[in-house]
Amino acid sequence: GEDVEQSLFLSVREGDSSVINCTYTDSSSTYLYWYKQEPGAGLQLLTYIFSNMDMKQDQRLTVLLNKKDKHLSLRIADTQTGDSAIYFCAVRRVRGGGNKLTFGTGTQLKVEL
Amino acid sequence: SQTIHQWPATLVQPVGSPLSLECTVEGTSNPNLYWYRQAAGRGLQLLFYSVGIGQISSEVPQNLSASRPQDRQFILSSKKLLLSDSGFYLCAWADGYYEQYFGPGTRLTVT
Repeated sequence: GEDVEQSLFLSVREGDSSVINCTYTDSSSTYLYWYKQEPGAGLQLLTYIFSNMDMKQDQRLTVLLNKKDKHLSLRIADTQTGDSAIYFCAVRRVRGGGNKLTFGTGTQLKVEL
Repeated sequence: SQTIHQWPATLVQPVGSPLSLECTVEGTSNPNLYWYRQAAGRGLQLLFYSVGIGQISSEVPQNLSASRPQDRQFILSSKKLLLSDSGFYLCAWADGYYEQYFGPGTRLTVT
């Protein structure tokens, strides 16, 4: 089945850029997502990218996709303390129907003053 | 606009007791519905999904079951809870195209 991997922790200083990385195994994945989870809350969809795109920018967020290396990244510009959360990468499963997603283990972003 | 509700928000239940968690979606029709469990280790595990009323697919064998009695209602149940059922349960819906949206979650502690 599909595997999605992320590093567990990332610490940055306020005002710096954060880059959260994700790798996946199924090269035929068509949609790739980034979600944010604040403590005790559900997951908030931040952005997604289609596999025929290399980059997508949405305000402070930039998603880069390298299909050859099966690598997805989320860059947060001018990181703020409110960006502290767990960030999940997810890919839509190609097989099995139901538009199911496979999630990574999440990266905890800590923003320090 | 669409909204998704889950209740209860928190639940403490003894081992061997039954469970019923409810999820409802407003503002859309015929959504795909999903139940996930998030254990303390953070990862999300898909438990069940449904593409229509009465249509339930199970992802992993377990002590839980799901039902979809109405188009926008998804219920997660158990007849007898185990300690290992503790976790954060998340319901999600999708319109069948690109995006999957999550509810606020239910924190279940089995004692």
